[in-house]
Amino acid sequence: DAGVIQSPRHEVTEMGQEVTLRCKPISGHNSLFWYRQTMMRGLELLIYFNNNVPIDDSGMPEDRFSAKMPNASFSTLKIQPSEPRDSAVYFCASTLTLQGLGSGANVLTFGAGSRLTVL
Amino acid sequence: KQEVTQIPAALSVPEGENLVLNCSFTDSAIYNLQWFRQDPGKGLTSLLLIQSSQREQTSGRLNASLDKSSGRSTLYIAASQPGDSATYLCAVRPGNAGGTSYGKLTFGQGTILTVHP
Repeated sequence: DAGVIQSPRHEVTEMGQEVTLRCKPISGHNSLFWYRQTMMRGLELLIYFNNNVPIDDSGMPEDRFSAKMPNASFSTLKIQPSEPRDSAVYFCASTLTLQGLGSGANVLTFGAGSRLTVL
Repeated sequence: KQEVTQIPAALSVPEGENLVLNCSFTDSAIYNLQWFRQDPGKGLTSLLLIQSSQREQTSGRLNASLDKSSGRSTLYIAASQPGDSATYLCAVRPGNAGGTSYGKLTFGQGTILTVHP
C-alpha cells in the first residue's frame, strides 16, 4: 500500500485565494482525519469522517474552512478565502475504526502533509 | 478537556545513551495512547500503541509504558543512535467509544530529540 497520499505537498498562494488540499486514505480504512500543525499550536484536529460521514467538525476554525469526503478513497479540505494565518502544515490521516467491545488497535497512519503558505 | 504534556521539550544526548521521554495527560479515561515520531518536514510515523488495558508495548529498542490511573506514559529508547534524532509525540484517544469523541486524538507538543555521534 502506498500509504496516505496528500497533494499538493507545497502550496504558496496569495491572501484571498481559494486553496484545496486533497487526501487519499489507505484502502480499507473507514476513518479519515484532517489535522493542522503550527509551531505555536502544535497538532490540532480539524475534522474527521467515519464511513465518509463527518463526525465532528468542531475543530474547523471558521466558515472559511470546509471539508468533504465524497467517497471512501478521497477527501478534500478547502479554504476560501485564504488568509496568512492559515499558513501551516495540513496532515491527513486514516485508520480502520471498529466499534464495540474488542475494537481493533486503530493505529493512525499519517500522510506526508501539505505545507501551505499564504502571503 | 484533555491536555497532554510532554517533558522535556528538547533533549540532546550522546550516542549510546538510554533515555526516557515523558508524557502526561489530565483525563485518565483514555481508550489508548500512541507514540509517534516526526522527522523534519515529514509526516508522523506511528511507533507504538498501548491500549488502556495494557501496561507496556515493546518494539525493538523502544519500550512504552502506560500508567493510566496516574495519567502517565514513558517512551524508553535503549542504546540511542543518531538516526533516532526526531520529534517524538504522544497522543491519547478518549475512552468514550461512542458519541462523537472516539476519533479525537489529543497530541502533546512533542520532545525534540538530538542524538549526537
